[in-house]
Amino acid sequence: QVQLVQSGAEMRTPGSSVKVSCVTSGDTFSSYAINWVRQAPGQGLEWMGGIIPSPRITNYAQKFRGRVTTTADGSTNTVYLEVTNLGFEDTAIYYCARGESGYPMRGYFYAMDVWGQGTTVTVSS
Amino acid sequence: DIVVTQSPESLAVSLGERATINCKSSQSILYSSNYKNYLAWYQHKPGQPPKLLFYWASTRQSGVPDRFSGSGSGTDFTLTISSLQPEDVAVYYCHQYYTTPPSFGQGTRVEIK
Repeated sequence: QVQLVQSGAEMRTPGSSVKVSCVTSGDTFSSYAINWVRQAPGQGLEWMGGIIPSPRITNYAQKFRGRVTTTADGSTNTVYLEVTNLGFEDTAIYYCARGESGYPMRGYFYAMDVWGQGTTVTVSS
Repeated sequence: DIVVTQSPESLAVSLGERATINCKSSQSILYSSNYKNYLAWYQHKPGQPPKLLFYWASTRQSGVPDRFSGSGSGTDFTLTISSLQPEDVAVYYCHQYYTTPPSFGQGTRVEIK
């Protein structure tokens, strides 16, 4: 059974950074894109960004460009999401999710069929 | 960017009755090269990650009960639950992946009347 396993809950202060990990299987890492989706309290799902580990293509929602980075480590089949300059509004559950990719054709990040369990990030002073 | 708008925001349906959720994109998400609509539907329950129900607008994900159906093309799409069951209480999202970046609708909460 395919699984994505995320790192544990994090608490940060405003202005700091957080890095969330998502461990995949070798097959997932080499053949799929990994998306990052978050849900703030009382809000809907929000696509933040994604990476196609091979060939290391990344893309981000306009709202997050310059503040969010996703990277991939092929030696451990792990994908990371780093968010810098955290604000209270970044308090949310962060999910990684696997999907096929249409790269280089239309739609780099397709429907997401396998999701991690979620990582709660709390920003508090 | 494509804006995806769902309606209604919430609905309450009696057990065994039909629930219909609409999703409208600000531009067509039907790709002429492959005649596929780049739309997915998810079910999201509290404390769980979202669950994929449909992709390519109407292709049911393995394990999804057949009381769920997805339809539509171009800019207008529908998720239908033909006979609402207690376990269907959730928030449902549509998701367009025609463009990069993709985007979600704002969600529709389904409750029991």
